[in-house]
Amino acid sequence: DTGVSQDPRHKITKRGQNVTFRCDPISEHNRLYWYRQTLGQGPEFLTYFQNEAQLEKSRLLSDRFSAERPKGSFSTLEIQRTEQGDSAMYLCASSLARGGRAPGEQYFGPGTRLTVT
Amino acid sequence: GQQVMQIPQYQHVQEGEDFTTYCNSSTTLSNIQWYKQRPGGHPVFLIQLVKSGEVKKQKRLTFQFGEAKKNSSLHITATQTTDVGTYFCAGILRGYQKVTFGTGTKLQVIP
Repeated sequence: DTGVSQDPRHKITKRGQNVTFRCDPISEHNRLYWYRQTLGQGPEFLTYFQNEAQLEKSRLLSDRFSAERPKGSFSTLEIQRTEQGDSAMYLCASSLARGGRAPGEQYFGPGTRLTVT
Repeated sequence: GQQVMQIPQYQHVQEGEDFTTYCNSSTTLSNIQWYKQRPGGHPVFLIQLVKSGEVKKQKRLTFQFGEAKKNSSLHITATQTTDVGTYFCAGILRGYQKVTFGTGTKLQVIP
């Protein structure tokens, strides 16, 4: 257990429905990352927060994806109008880094496995 | 965009043999990180390399960062069954926080 939790662990939804995932990072960590991972692939960067500010977002990310970190603590990732291609493991990671320095050690949560039918 | 490739994609070794995975970036990196992901698990941080030509060791694991900061390698000496998993390198460009994971090398150790 890394101290990063994600909820739910599994989600099955029908195509066209909206889903929301939650990530609770390690409390003192100021950076939070969302990744998507499909079978046999490495995690794919989606977006990143420093405290409550969303500072980077993948150019490949559809407008159907949105993320928030309202108080600089937990974060939510919402997918609207889900498609079968959205089926994947959604991973959250947190780290503690100062200033503009590169991300430090990232601690990953267990992930939320999304299946779109 | 930035691409990070790893070879080999798969490696089967007999327990006790050595193992090496190579990571190559299409662009010069600021830092590189290495992670291990066990089957059914999430990535676990192993190490971060920052300096050109840097070499770091963790017990049986040796990590290298290339002089041009575009490649890296992970070498495991005398593999054990506990080394089974997928090893990912992850590159970071200077001035950015985005972490680009490599394609991974899946290691299987035969007892």
